[in-house]
Amino acid sequence: EVQLVESGGGLVQPGRSLRLSCVASGFTFDDYAMHWVRQAPGKGLEWVSGIAWNSGSIGYADSVKGRFTISRDNAKNSLYLQMNSLRPEDTALYFCVKGTVPTTRGGSDYWGQGTRVTVSP
Amino acid sequence: EMVMTQSPATLSVSPGERATLSCRASQSISTNLAWYQHKPGQAPRLLIYGASTRATGIPARFSGSGSGTEFTLTISSLQSEDFAVYYCQEYNTWPRWMFGQGTKVEIK
Repeated sequence: EVQLVESGGGLVQPGRSLRLSCVASGFTFDDYAMHWVRQAPGKGLEWVSGIAWNSGSIGYADSVKGRFTISRDNAKNSLYLQMNSLRPEDTALYFCVKGTVPTTRGGSDYWGQGTRVTVSP
Repeated sequence: EMVMTQSPATLSVSPGERATLSCRASQSISTNLAWYQHKPGQAPRLLIYGASTRATGIPARFSGSGSGTEFTLTISSLQSEDFAVYYCQEYNTWPRWMFGQGTKVEIK
């Protein structure tokens, strides 16, 4: 059974940093791209960032480019999102998402239940 | 920039009735489209990929159709567990995805 378990969310002040983690199990982690998707309160889904199986291709939404950094450790079956210079508009539930192919070109299939990030003074 | 537009925003349906949800892409995306079901407090669940292929374990009452810019998700006979928010997702615009704003299917 595929499982994606996020952690690292919490309440943080504007301008501060937070690091999200996602531990994967139930599939061969380094065979697939991985992504982060977020959902702000009362809003829809927004793709945040994606990383290929070998970290050779990485993409970011314009809203987080230059502030967020995605990374992965295939030896630990883990995905990370380093979030710097956080803004109130980054407040959201952050989902770890498994891609369907090794590169970032494909779609997605399995999602975690999310970790909540709140950016507030 | 790619924009995905779902309609209607809310769909009120009685159990056992048919529900038809629409998704329109601002540019052609071939069949690089997925549909997700999302319930509060749960992970989104993949229903359809490639515009018309049901994901593993998805009941046959869910079907998808379309290509290019116009897509449809049909739930042939709504069950109580089907009341949720449904999102379409395009994965043609590498390396980012765009989602529709969602259609809430509620009990009539």
